[in-house]
Amino acid sequence: RKEVEQDPGPFNVPEGATVAFNCTYSNSASQSFFWYRQDCRKEPKLLMSVYSSGNEDGRFTAQLNRASQYISLLIRDSKLSDSATYLCVVNTGNQFYFGTGTSLTVIP
Amino acid sequence: DTGVSQDPRHKITKRGQNVTFRCDPISEHNRLYWYRQTLGQGPEFLTYFQNEAQLEKSRLLSDRFSAERPKGSFSTLEIQRTEQGDSAMYLCASLSGSYNEQFFGPGTRLTVL
Repeated sequence: RKEVEQDPGPFNVPEGATVAFNCTYSNSASQSFFWYRQDCRKEPKLLMSVYSSGNEDGRFTAQLNRASQYISLLIRDSKLSDSATYLCVVNTGNQFYFGTGTSLTVIP
Repeated sequence: DTGVSQDPRHKITKRGQNVTFRCDPISEHNRLYWYRQTLGQGPEFLTYFQNEAQLEKSRLLSDRFSAERPKGSFSTLEIQRTEQGDSAMYLCASLSGSYNEQFFGPGTRLTVL
């Protein structure tokens, strides 16, 4: 079983739409969680950390459900510039496990 | 620029040759990670340093791969006797102890012909 499972998409949404990504993880001892954004042929860049209480940064909201072992990312009012691959990352001990990424394309 | 840097950005080599990549982390970060990423996949962990100590290595890291971080600052990743299957993006990330937030370098894209 993979450490992190993520729906690869692709998600194609119109500008202004709300889109949600989910990710599940297998190790209940995992301690930190993150969403990264990766543009084509570029390095991953930290979008936001995910806290147990949930957290919001502008149009982006991240949630963590430890009981069900999943994390989510909600993007409201999608912009063309949100088009990218979104990677779910789980930290267990000294290791970081990445999902395969979910591809998002925002269409004009 | 005070971010993570990697050199070279691109490397094309023939099968059987040795290659070495360099990563310069953010200066105050004591932890450094190497990852490999292929198309359509997320980054896969290769190895991890805390200061100059290599603390963990993935099973993916065969005997042909070696990494060093001699003074706890920059790190090198060497691949000996490259194979076509080694073609990938090699990413380096550094982080401080505080928040577990990794910052990635731009990567070295390796093509083995």
